[in-house]
Formats: sequence, structure tokens, C-alpha cells
Amino acid sequence: DGGITQSPKYLFRKEGQNVTLSCEQNLNHDAMYWYRQDPGQGLRLIYYSQIVNDFQKGDIAEGYSVSREKKESFPLTVTSAQKNPTAFYLCASSPSRRSHYEQYFGPGTRLTVT
Amino acid sequence: GIQVEQSPPDLILQEGANSTLRCNFSDSVNNLQWFHQNPWGQLINLFYIPSGTKQNGRLSATTVATERYSLLYISSSQTTDSGVYFCAVGNYGQNFVFGPGTRLSVLP
Repeated sequence: DGGITQSPKYLFRKEGQNVTLSCEQNLNHDAMYWYRQDPGQGLRLIYYSQIVNDFQKGDIAEGYSVSREKKESFPLTVTSAQKNPTAFYLCASSPSRRSHYEQYFGPGTRLTVT
Repeated sequence: GIQVEQSPPDLILQEGANSTLRCNFSDSVNNLQWFHQNPWGQLINLFYIPSGTKQNGRLSATTVATERYSLLYISSSQTTDSGVYFCAVGNYGQNFVFGPGTRLSVLP
């Protein structure tokens, strides 16, 4: 059963703690992405990766970090430096970025920081 | 960068009605996708349609790339069509830019 999985579905943390969100795909896609969505808003790109061991900042990378040690996995760490971390986080993947490409999304993780 | 507008921002329909959602973008694009975000937050791919017309059941989409807009048609709407519809556009090697979405409510 191919697809993108994100865990956990809901996550609660105290202010000042780092937290890591998981994203795994078995679609054999080269590119992976992390987006943030605030209530009633569209999606904004945090980080993306086109290949293992390489990643690039998106529009709102401050306070976040990522790694891409395996093709299947692209975890996102929300650090204590992120001023407003409470949001819905969506992971996506695509076959490549070089030409026509279609993104596929995971179910998302809702992070609440108090 | 590319700007994306969607209209209308909100739409309320009675079950069985038809609707048209619009996506305008400020520059030429090679990639365009329509998504439906269901009440649980999952983004579901509807169409990959950088140009031309596609149909899938009660849904169809048309992109006129030269005039920088795309339309999503929903016919005989059902309550399960409720949610937010996003248009996302981009170019080769560049990131997708998402529009603000159209929130659709279909009443029984």
C-alpha cells in the first residue's frame, strides 16, 4: 500500500522544547517537502529536499530544521526558536522537480505548543 | 514571485447544485494542481492540469495557460464535497505556490 505517512497525528508540547515530526514515503519519490498551514490559511513551504543528504530552505524556514539521510524519510524538527509553532504540518513528495511534477500529501500532524 | 488568487473565497450550495471555482495566477506556469482538503485536513489530489481540460466523474477542470487561469467545475454537488479547494502553481525546478483556497459548504 503505497503512500506517505506522518506521525503522530496530534502532538502536544510545552514551550521551549524541541519536537520532531516524522514523514515517511514508499513511493520511491526523489523530492520531499514540508509545509505549514495556519487556521483558515493556505500552505507555506518550510523546507524541501530534492535528493538524499541535500535540502533547501523554503519561504518560512526560521526556527525549523530537517534532515534527509534516507530517500524514504524527511523528519522535521520544530525548535524552541520558532516563535509560533502551533500549526498543522503537512509533508509531501513528488517524483522529481525537474519537469512536470505532481505533489502527493500525507495526512498531516497537528502540533500544539503551550 | 508568482501570485495566486482564488475565487470565491467562500461558497455555500444546496446539495445537487453545480459550481465553478476559479484560480488566477500572475505569471506563466508549467505545473498546476487542484486539491481538496477534507474536514480532517487531508489534501486530496483532484487534477494535475497545467493546460487543457480533464474530467473525473462529477468534477472537471480547465486550464487556459495563455490567459493565466484555471477553473474547477463541480456538478451535482454532495455533502462530501464540502471542504477547502486549493489551486497550486509552479514552474520546472521551482516550488509550488498555493492560493488561499475556496471554502465550500454543501448543505443537505
